Formats: sequence, structure tokens, C-alpha cells
Amino acid sequence: AQSVTQLDSHVSVSEGTPVLLRCNYSSSYSPSLFWYVQHPNKGLQLLLKYTSAATLVKGINGFEAEFKKSETSFHLTKPSAHMSDAAEYFCVVRGYQKVTFGTGTKLQVIP
Amino acid sequence: GAVVSQHPSWVICKSGTSVKIECRSLDFQATTMFWYRQFPKQSLMLMATSNEGSKATYEQGVEKDKFLINHASLTLSTLTVTSAHPEDSSFYICSASLVGAMNTEAFFGQGTRLTVV
Repeated sequence: AQSVTQLDSHVSVSEGTPVLLRCNYSSSYSPSLFWYVQHPNKGLQLLLKYTSAATLVKGINGFEAEFKKSETSFHLTKPSAHMSDAAEYFCVVRGYQKVTFGTGTKLQVIP
Repeated sequence: GAVVSQHPSWVICKSGTSVKIECRSLDFQATTMFWYRQFPKQSLMLMATSNEGSKATYEQGVEKDKFLINHASLTLSTLTVTSAHPEDSSFYICSASLVGAMNTEAFFGQGTRLTVV
């Protein structure tokens, strides 16, 4: 069985403050994990991915995520939010021949 | 990164007609392509997994006779919404993965917004 849980459907932060988007997963296999971002009326863009190399993964636009096997988590963070970060973020797990999306977290950035 | 092209990006059709959506991997070969549907303000729902040269595997609750998937080559998969109705109006997205390693990312098309009137 494979599943992804994004713990917050909405997160609101002030510009310049840290961002934390939470993701927990379960998988029968050693999974690959991804974070994608979707801006309004746009397609999906890959932020970063974990593929069993370094547990701390750095992505584009200053985002990073840490894979914690003991906690089955892959939380997305950014030290300082920017207005352009306002979007919907999806945590994705890829097991054998199956890709599962989380339900998404909408990030609001307040000026 | 690799490019997946989805066409058309938007389409309006009359109720009862059929619509075909194409998903092409432009610069790589994709053994497996995935088709997703996204309802407003919701996450992507996997509809089916399409393997080149074989029948697609549909997720529970997805009507295979209504959503026909064909994956005739390593670079092309098509989704045909047959006898479309207004409730089929949605955003459809395909993705493709590189042949081989499981840990490669999935590349997404830009999506097709279908409106059935």
C-alpha cells in the first residue's frame, strides 16, 4: 500500500518568514519522494526530489526538504517566504509503477 | 529536464461528443504514462496508468469505456473522453516517466481544460 498525507490544506505566512509544509508517507517499497508546485491555471513544476541519496534535498527557489525515514516524513521548508511562493504544493510518492499525490497545501503569503 | 507536451490545452465540446487528448514525450521514451484528473480546488486524482503496447490499468471508480486510453508508442498516449457530459468538465493532466529507473521524476504535461456544454 502507498499513501501520502499532507497535514495542512492551507498555510498562511507573512512575507520574509519561514515556510513549513508537512508531508507524511507510507510505502511498501523504498519510495522516491517529490514536491511539486502548481501556480494558478498553470501546470505542475518540480521543486525537488529525494531518490535515496542525501536525506536533505535542496530544490529550486530556495526550497529544501528532509527525508526522515524514522518519521516517514518529507517536510518542505524555506527560510524566507516570497510573494511569488503563493501557490499550491503537492507532495508525491513514487513506488513501483505507481505515483500517488497528496491532497495539496495551499500556501498564502501575506505582504 | 525532459518535456511532455499535452494537446490541446483547452477544449470546449458539446454534450454527447467525444474528445481526444494527446500526451507526447518530446525528447525521451516513456514506457509508462499516467493520466490524472483535477477537480477545482482538489488534488490530482490518478485515473489510469498507461503502458506502451498493453491495456491501461484503471483506478477504481474510473469507467474504462468512457475514458479510453491508448499508448501506441513510447512517445504518445491518448485519452479519449467518449460521450462527454458536463460532469466530465475538468482539468486533465498526463505525466510520463523515463524508461528504466523507478526513482526518476515524472514529467507533466501542461494539462487540458475540458469544458462540456
